Amino acid sequence: SQELEQSPQSLIVQEGKNLTINCTSSKTLYGLYWYKQKYGEGLIFLMMLQKGGEEKSHEKITAKLDEKKQQSSLHITASQPSHAGIYLCGAAGRGRGGADGLTFGKGTHLIIQP
Amino acid sequence: EAQVTQNPRYLITVTGKKLTVTCSQNMNHEYMSWYRQDPGLGLRQIYYSMNVEVTDKGDVPEGYKVSRKEKRNFPLILESPSPNQTSLYFCASSTGTGVHRAYNEQFFGPGTRLTVL
Repeated sequence: SQELEQSPQSLIVQEGKNLTINCTSSKTLYGLYWYKQKYGEGLIFLMMLQKGGEEKSHEKITAKLDEKKQQSSLHITASQPSHAGIYLCGAAGRGRGGADGLTFGKGTHLIIQP
Repeated sequence: EAQVTQNPRYLITVTGKKLTVTCSQNMNHEYMSWYRQDPGLGLRQIYYSMNVEVTDKGDVPEGYKVSRKEKRNFPLILESPSPNQTSLYFCASSTGTGVHRAYNEQFFGPGTRLTVL
């Protein structure tokens, strides 16, 4: 099954600073999802990437999928307290859950210091 | 409002007492699934359903059952819960690639925190 490595596992960033979270796969990624989770709560969809070299942005968050489709990065510009939480990447179609089943990385815990 | 709802949100029970966690979506989605989230292990898929009356095992199905009698509902059944099923459970739905041949947003419910004593 698909293994996704997320790095770093945790990140403490001063408010206003930029940061990057990485998601690396041993196999080609098809349908790579980024979610944000507040501790103990539900998942909020951020972005989904499919094509090599694709880049999407929403507000201050940009996600990219590399040309080889084995690595994705999530970049936050000028971080704010509202960005704090757990960021999860999920790859479609690599576990037993059919084409739409997601296999997730273990997450990156982001803390924003005022 | 498009959403996935789960009930209950919190549940404390005892070993062996059958329970059902309900999941409902109002988006006419074909694909629905259940995940559990555990510290250090992340989110793992339990069961999924590609359409009504079509269900299949995910990566960690042991100890769980599901049914899909209607498109909107996908209950998770624990016939004889055990302490190792203490976890945070999420239901999710999407239109499914079988319909659109492209990956689409997967909507997640708010989660059900289950404790089995």
